Amino acid sequence: SQQGEEDPQALSIQEGENATMNCSYKTSINNLQWYRQNSGRGLVHLILIRSNEREKHSGRLRVTLDTSKKSSSLLITASRAADTASYFCATVPVLKLVFGKGMKLTVNP
Amino acid sequence: NAGVTQTPKFQVLKTGQSMTLQCAQDMNHNSMYWYRQDPGMGLRLIYYSASEGTTDKGEVPNGYNVSRLNKREFSLRLESAAPSQTSVYFCASSGEWTPDEQFFGPGTRLTVL
Repeated sequence: SQQGEEDPQALSIQEGENATMNCSYKTSINNLQWYRQNSGRGLVHLILIRSNEREKHSGRLRVTLDTSKKSSSLLITASRAADTASYFCATVPVLKLVFGKGMKLTVNP
Repeated sequence: NAGVTQTPKFQVLKTGQSMTLQCAQDMNHNSMYWYRQDPGMGLRLIYYSASEGTTDKGEVPNGYNVSRLNKREFSLRLESAAPSQTSVYFCASSGEWTPDEQFFGPGTRLTVL
C-alpha cells in the first residue's frame, strides 16, 4: 500500500509562477524524498530531507517536513516549461522506498 | 558511467509466455530493486536485494521471481505472463553511503496480450 499521497494530483501553472505540491504519509519515517519523472522516462532523485530536518533547499527547490503532521511540501520557484513532469514523494520507513501515486505538473510557456 | 541500464526497452508477450527483464548497474551499489508502475498507482516494489546473494519480497511479488546474479546484475523473471502484468518496470539501485537515494533505470514497457 502507498505510504505517501501527493496533493494536488495535477497542477497547471504559467511559466515563472511558483508550484507547490504536498505529500502526506502515514507512518514514522527516517527520511522523505522527492523524485521527478519526465514522460516516458525513469525517476530522478531531486532532494532528500531527514526526519530531524524541517526545511531544505536545493537550487529552485524548497522542501519542508512536518513530522507532527506527517506531511511534506515541495516548492518549485520561478517555474520553467522544463519543470513539466510528474513528481513523487517517497518515504523510507525501512530499507526500501514506498512511493506515492505522483502529481502531474504542467508548466505552460 | 552508464548508471542503471535495463533491457529490453519494450516487450510484447502473449499470456502464458515467460521472459526475463535484465538490469545492471555500474556504480558498485549493494542494493537493487524492481518496481512496477501502473497508471494512478505510483511505483510499487516487487522485489529487492539488499546485497549480493540476498533477495526479499516487496509489496507485489506474486507472479515474479528474481535473481541477484552478482553485485552488478539483478534480473526479474515472469514465468507465465498475465495481462495484469502489463506495466512499466523500473530497476533501481542504491549505495552503501547513500542507501536511501535510489538511482533508476529508464524502464521496460511490457504489454501482455
